[in-house]
Amino acid sequence: DVVLTQTPPTLSATIGQSVSISCRSSQSLLDSDGDTYLNWLLQRPGQSPQLLIYSVSNLESGVPNRFSGSGSETDFTLKISGVEAEDLGVYYCMQATHAPYTFGAGTKLELK
Amino acid sequence: EVKLVESGGGLVQPGRSLKLSCAASGFSFNDYWMGWVRQAPGKGLEWIGEINQDSSTINYTPSLKDKFTISRDNAQNTLYLQMSKLGSEDTAIYYCARVFWGAPYWYFDFWGPGTMVTVSS
Repeated sequence: DVVLTQTPPTLSATIGQSVSISCRSSQSLLDSDGDTYLNWLLQRPGQSPQLLIYSVSNLESGVPNRFSGSGSETDFTLKISGVEAEDLGVYYCMQATHAPYTFGAGTKLELK
Repeated sequence: EVKLVESGGGLVQPGRSLKLSCAASGFSFNDYWMGWVRQAPGKGLEWIGEINQDSSTINYTPSLKDKFTISRDNAQNTLYLQMSKLGSEDTAIYYCARVFWGAPYWYFDFWGPGTMVTVSS
């Protein structure tokens, strides 16, 4: 199975600070057709996960543009440009290139 | 408005079976792949599996393939998860989610609120 390693496991930030989360894959997420199925989700406390970014860098409708995704093959990054209070929660990367699909262990974003 | 609502969770004894349902509304259910994801208390997310529109393709995470069965009833706009031989390790919140799949995209775009399953004697 593909292992996604997220760092850091916990992130403390102040409002307005920019932060980045890394997601590294144990194998390339580039499939034979040249597509990369790497998504980012946010789970706020007590809520279901919600999609933020799909296919590495595409912003889901309704998601603020302070969120951005980048990367390729095995190294991916989620950046939040100016954390707001509503951004607190656990961030997960998820890959759907190789079955079984897998999630990273999560990065918890807290207020400093 | 897209809505997914899971039901059927609760307390179940080890070794027993349980069937979860996910009622879908607000979209054309039979046009979408659907999936199940679970989350043990205080833990991360685990992909269980997915089913295509006409149930001709069902994929599972290998460790659950012999215990769990995913099915759907398009006439009832409902997704199911049949779970058997339950153990304490299956205690989790179970989420159903809608899959958006069209190359170069695959993602869960809508999630239900989840239903809690507790396996305990």
